[in-house]
This record gives sequence, structure tokens and C-alpha cells, in this order.
Amino acid sequence: GAGVSQSPSNKVTEKGKDVELRCDPISGHTALYWYRQSLGQGLEFLIYFQGNSAPDKSGLPSDRFSAERTGGSVSTLTIQRTQQEDSAVYLCASSPGREYTNYGYTFGSGTRLTVV
Amino acid sequence: AQSVTQPDIHITVSEGASLELRCNYSYGATPYLFWYVQSPGQGLQLLLKYFSGDTLVQGIKGFEAEFKRSQSSFNLRKPSVHWSDAAEYFCAVGVSVFRLEAGTASKLTFGTGTRLQVTL
Repeated sequence: GAGVSQSPSNKVTEKGKDVELRCDPISGHTALYWYRQSLGQGLEFLIYFQGNSAPDKSGLPSDRFSAERTGGSVSTLTIQRTQQEDSAVYLCASSPGREYTNYGYTFGSGTRLTVV
Repeated sequence: AQSVTQPDIHITVSEGASLELRCNYSYGATPYLFWYVQSPGQGLQLLLKYFSGDTLVQGIKGFEAEFKRSQSSFNLRKPSVHWSDAAEYFCAVGVSVFRLEAGTASKLTFGTGTRLQVTL
């Protein structure tokens, strides 16, 4: 597609339920990032995928969070046993490749997650 | 560790007035610096970036930013603000981190943002 697509755009879930957030990066972009934007906070790095390399999971806040990227394209961020503090906008970004070009992020519009 | 500070949470300017949004960073090496804009319900759009060279960089929508190493600053400016510029603006520093299991990651560390309101 022309841009980074995220679905759903909004998700309301009950505390304790699992949720899956999807990201379709720009075709051909090898790098994919997940960030979290909480109210009044900046953007917090969660996880990074580069091609077929093992992901950099250093930003995941707890073991309830996981992500996978199938076929080097679509990514799914899964939050298990959601808590109210997980409420945030989850942003996905992709970029063409390594180093300098890696900073040419294109962000999706995000998924607003509300845990009630 | 790197960090970014945007000291102004909220700024209001009149349409046609000049604008300066402040950004200070902390990073041990030469930083890669960015400004992004986020309109309501939208993703982040890159306004401009600094990697090296000329310290005054031009971006889209008439924005510019100046890198001042001595002040660890990368302030965003626009000579005349339009009502459509109302949005949230984020400054970010880019860091390359090598991890054995994942190769080189190029991560952005963002400030907390400045919300710009434009009055007519």
C-alpha cells in the first residue's frame, strides 16, 4: 500500500483480556518499529524488526507484550491480560533499510487502545 | 542514555505570527535530530532532519530548525504560522544501537511533545 496501515484504529477491551494489534508496513520496507504513546508522554520505543534478524525487544514493558512479524511484512503486537495502564495509542512505523535510510520512518495512524 | 526535552507543553500563537518550539537533547555523540508533527487522529509526519553539515535545515511546510551544539538544542521555527499548523510537535534524537541478536537498530527517542494552538 501507499502508507503504513494499522488496524483496528480503535479498540476497547476489558481488563484481563488479550488484544492483537496489526501493522501492514510499506511494501519493500525491511525495518518495522512499534512505539507506544501514552497521554502526556512522548513516544516510547517497544520493539524493532529488521529483515529476518531477531527482533530487538528491549523496549517491551513486560512479558505480557509480544510481537511477531510474518514473512518480513505484516506485524502483530499482542498484549496479554491487559491492564488499565496499557491504555495508549500504539504506533507502527516502517523504513527502507539500515543506518541513514533507517531514519526515514513512515508512521501509521495508530491504534487507540482503551482498557476498561 | 539519550534524552530529549521539550520544555513547552502548550504554546498559543496568533496566525501570521512567528513560531519557535524549543528542543534540548542529551547525547554523548553527534546526534541525528528530527522534528515530527502529529495532527489529531493522524500518524507522525517528518518535518525535517539533521544528520551533519549545515546546521540550519529546511523542512516541509515552511519549517526550519537550527542545530546548536554548544547549547544542545535543535529549535524549530516558522516565520509565519498558519491555522493549519495547529498540531502536536515532537522532537527526537536518533541513536544507532548494535545488539548481537538483532544487528543495528536505529531507534528514535522522542520528547513529550509541544501542542501548538493557533488563534485567528
